[in-house]
Amino acid sequence: KNEVEQSPQNLTAQEGEFITINCSYSVGISALHWLQQHPGGGIVSLFMLSSGKKKHGRLIATINIQEKHSSLHITASHPRDSAVYICAVRPLSGGGADGLTFGKGTHLIIQP
Amino acid sequence: DTEVTQTPKHLVMGMTNKKSLKCEQHMGHRAMYWYKQKAKKPPELMFVYSYEKLSINESVPSRFSPECPNSSLLNLHLHALQPEDSALYLCASSPWDRGLRGRANNEQFFGPGTRLTVL
Repeated sequence: KNEVEQSPQNLTAQEGEFITINCSYSVGISALHWLQQHPGGGIVSLFMLSSGKKKHGRLIATINIQEKHSSLHITASHPRDSAVYICAVRPLSGGGADGLTFGKGTHLIIQP
Repeated sequence: DTEVTQTPKHLVMGMTNKKSLKCEQHMGHRAMYWYKQKAKKPPELMFVYSYEKLSINESVPSRFSPECPNSSLLNLHLHALQPEDSALYLCASSPWDRGLRGRANNEQFFGPGTRLTVL
């Protein structure tokens, strides 16, 4: 079983709709990241969370550490939001610069 | 300068070639990472360098050889690769700051990647 599970895997919505992408993880973590990847490769870090909620423009990310669950919301979605959204966690460790463990991503398409 | 750069953007090589991928950042980050991403799959961690020392090698074959010559540069030397090594190779960096209670809590900054094709 993957340590990071995302749902849905694919999501197609109409412009303006409210979007929710979910992420569940099974290990103790020091931080959870939401990342965006457009076709062609580059990854952009949207949020890093260790508790609570963060907002940036139309994007909102929440995390519930007790339930090991995070959500990414997009309000007033736009075709330019079409991308793969990836949840990634940094597992708890004794220290050091450990790499991230990634979910499989959610492929979001926003239709005009 | 708040970005991670990677060169080249694209690389096509034969199985007998030797090539190198380069990653550079000038944000003063002391942790740098190589990830490999196959099509339609999430990235997989390959190597982690912290303070220019290799701290994690995720059982990567020896045909991939990382090098961190200074705190701003990270190289990945490639030799005798196989076609199944074709992938997007992503570099990332993060600051070395510890959160409360001694837990690492570092945001990672990703480069645009090098798309590698092995013929």
